[in-house]
Amino acid sequence: GAGVSQSPRYKVTKRGQDVTLRCDPISSHATLYWYQQALGQGPEFLTYFNYEAQPDKSGLPSDRFSAERPEGSISTLTIQRTEQRDSAMYRCASSRDAGLWNEQFFGPGTRLTVL
Amino acid sequence: DAKTTQPNSMESNEEEPVHLPCNHSTISGTDYIHWYRQLPSQGPEYVIHGLTSNVNNRMASLAIAEDRKSSTLILHRATLRDAAVYYCIKGGSQGNLIFGKGTKLSVKP
Repeated sequence: GAGVSQSPRYKVTKRGQDVTLRCDPISSHATLYWYQQALGQGPEFLTYFNYEAQPDKSGLPSDRFSAERPEGSISTLTIQRTEQRDSAMYRCASSRDAGLWNEQFFGPGTRLTVL
Repeated sequence: DAKTTQPNSMESNEEEPVHLPCNHSTISGTDYIHWYRQLPSQGPEYVIHGLTSNVNNRMASLAIAEDRKSSTLILHRATLRDAAVYYCIKGGSQGNLIFGKGTKLSVKP
């Protein structure tokens, strides 16, 4: 695609519900990152994929958070048993590969609100 | 991974150059320095990156200190569209970006 897309753009859920966020990266990009951005803060790294492999989950805040990229393209981020502190903007970015110098292209984000 | 240090905010006049400073005293020899900016209600956008040498592109210039413990992003002629939060970022070992709080740049007409 022309750019990184994410869906839904907004999600409101009740505490305790599960939510799944979707990221569609630039089609030629091997690497996909997930970030969490609280209001007024910079994005915080959650996890990333090289194709379908997930080498680093260290940024995931708890075991309620999980991510998949089964075919090396579209990725989902799932938050189980949501809590109010999970409310944030969730951003996905893709890059050509995981090289340390590569430009990352960010999607518009999903604004999650947990009531 | 320690984050970089930037001023919280800066102001500039339109059409004038802007120098945005950043300290990254804990940087290691293989860490790239990246700059991204985030316009209101948008995702971060790449500006420039460098390792040791100064870098220029169509958006900006990046001046890196000889000891690599600091750098300066230079916007040669600020426009109103350059008003954004500018992040100076130390690249993580996995290619991830380690954002700090950034500098909010305001541009006055």
